[in-house]
Formats: sequence, C-alpha cells, structure tokens
Amino acid sequence: EAQVTQNPRYLITVTGKKLTVTCSQNMNHEYMSWYRQDPGLGLRQIYYSMNVEVTDKGDVPEGYKVSRKEKRNFPLILESPSPNQTSLYFCASRTRYQETQYFGPGTRLLVL
Amino acid sequence: GENVEQHPSTLSVQEGDSAVIKCTYSDSASNYFPWYKQELGKGPQLIIDIRSNVGEKKDQRIAVTLNKTAKHFSLHITETQPEDSAVYFCAASRTYNTDKLIFGTGTRLQVFP
Repeated sequence: EAQVTQNPRYLITVTGKKLTVTCSQNMNHEYMSWYRQDPGLGLRQIYYSMNVEVTDKGDVPEGYKVSRKEKRNFPLILESPSPNQTSLYFCASRTRYQETQYFGPGTRLLVL
Repeated sequence: GENVEQHPSTLSVQEGDSAVIKCTYSDSASNYFPWYKQELGKGPQLIIDIRSNVGEKKDQRIAVTLNKTAKHFSLHITETQPEDSAVYFCAASRTYNTDKLIFGTGTRLQVFP
C-alpha cells in the first residue's frame, strides 16, 4: 500500500531532551516536507526537501533540523525541544511530476 | 511574507445545503491552489486543486473558483452530506523550483442531518 508513515504517533518528552521523529514513504517521491499544525494557525511548513541531500527552510524552521540521506526517509530532529514546540506534526511527500502532497497520519508531541 | 487568509473559521450547514469557503492569497506569483480535507485523527487529503491558467474546476459535488486579479479562490460544496464534516484547508504555492506551500488557517465544516 502506498503510504507515508511517521513514528512515533504520540510522544511526551521534557525540555532539552533531543528527539527524532521519523518519516518514510514508499512511493519513490522526490519531494518531502514537514509541517506543524496548531489551533488557529493551520499548517505551517517547517522544512522541505526536493531530493536527496537537498533541503530548504519553510516558514518556521527555528529549533528544528532535518536530513535527507535516502530518498524514502526524511527525519525531523529537535535538538533541544521547548514547550512551544508542542504541536501536531505532519510529514508529506509528492512526486516532482505532480503537485499533490500525500500526508502521513501525524505525530502528536507534548514537551513538558 | 506570503500568507493565505481563510474564512470562515467554522461553518455549520443543514444536510443538502451548499457550503462555501473563501481564501485570499498575497503572493501574486502563486500559480497552484489545492484544497485539503482533514478528518478527525488523520492527515490532510487533497480533494481538488486548480492552477492559475484555469478559472473554475468541478469534481462531482465540489468545485473551486479562482479570481487571479483579486487573488481570491473559493471552495464550493453542493448537496452537503454528514460525511463532508471535516476541517478544510486551502493553500497556495509557486510550483517552479520550490516546494513551499502556504496553508490557510482552516475551516471546520459541520453538516447536520
């Protein structure tokens, strides 16, 4: 089944403890993105990648890192999480031939 | 920076009525305008999109219109059904050499039987 998977789906952590949220797609998509969703603010893009080893900042990149060493994976790294990074995170991917983005099921993060 | 405004934030309609959600974008270079539907506990899913060279597009009960001059686009849902209840997001992007997609703040649509 063609899909975008994220792990973990739920995470509770404490301020300053490094964490990684994984994202993987099995559709051979070139483009991948990370978004955060907050009430009243909609979806805001954190980072995107147009291919392996090619990444660029979205609208809210502060406090986040990404890497794209393989085409299928696009992990989101929070080196020192803070409470204002408590949010619902979505990974998405698409082929470079079509604009349709396919979203993962989301990761709900709570930073205490 | 670029932004997309979306209204209303909540919308309640009776089953069978029509629903309209409106968005305005700021980046005049935007040329791609998708609409996503997000059901409870799930990721957003594309329901319809339109490109800047087209003024209107229809797919069964849903349609999208685009006014490039006014930088305004709208989603129309006719004959609403309870399963249309969800959060709807509009978005805008330039498609050349970038994957930057700017979303609106979302509209929670409730369809009452």
